[in-house]
Amino acid sequence: TQLLEQSPQFLSIQEGENLTVYCNSSSVFSSLQWYRQEPGEGPVLLVTVVTGGEVKKLKRLTFQFGDARKDSSLHITAAQPGDTGLYLCAGAQDTGRRALTFGSGTRLQVQP
Amino acid sequence: GAVVSQHPSRVICKSGTSVKIECRSLDFQATTMFWYRQFPKQSLMLMATSNEGSKATYEQGVEKDKFLINHASLTLSTLTVTSAHPEDSSFYICSARRQGASTEAFFGQGTRLTVV
Repeated sequence: TQLLEQSPQFLSIQEGENLTVYCNSSSVFSSLQWYRQEPGEGPVLLVTVVTGGEVKKLKRLTFQFGDARKDSSLHITAAQPGDTGLYLCAGAQDTGRRALTFGSGTRLQVQP
Repeated sequence: GAVVSQHPSRVICKSGTSVKIECRSLDFQATTMFWYRQFPKQSLMLMATSNEGSKATYEQGVEKDKFLINHASLTLSTLTVTSAHPEDSSFYICSARRQGASTEAFFGQGTRLTVV
């Protein structure tokens, strides 16, 4: 059973379009991280959200943590080919001794 | 951000041989590190949790005698794939988390293992 459901699994869009990736769970997380991974590389941390309802912006990326801390979304405005990659959400339920719970991933392809 | 270094990035080995992968936290102490395996176009699958100074905790279905984990210091964990077979070919990734206030995990660059 996947504790973190991520959708969509795959998204192919044109440069300049907007998109939203969703990460949902029935469990409460103390924090939630978003990572981006390129082929042959390890995941790179994009952002951490901790407070319910929190919104964080990273250039054209907007991250939101649900009020109940069970879900999160990633919105990309005016996508660019450089945004192509695998986006992973991951939830933490402790202060660091346990592994993160990963979502199934969203593979984004931005066509020029 | 914190840096986790994984080595080697690529390795090709013959069936039956063993391969050791190193994972180092470069600017923080990690009492706990994690080893993942990733299949093509899929998310990360947790294999085991490496605990400094004690035995690793393996996830269900992961053979502890096949994937030997050693965490001898606060900055180094190693994963040894013993008697490798072609089905062990995969992308292996380690990560470490800071203790305390920060809960992010930082990942190594990954190791592409090919068993021929």
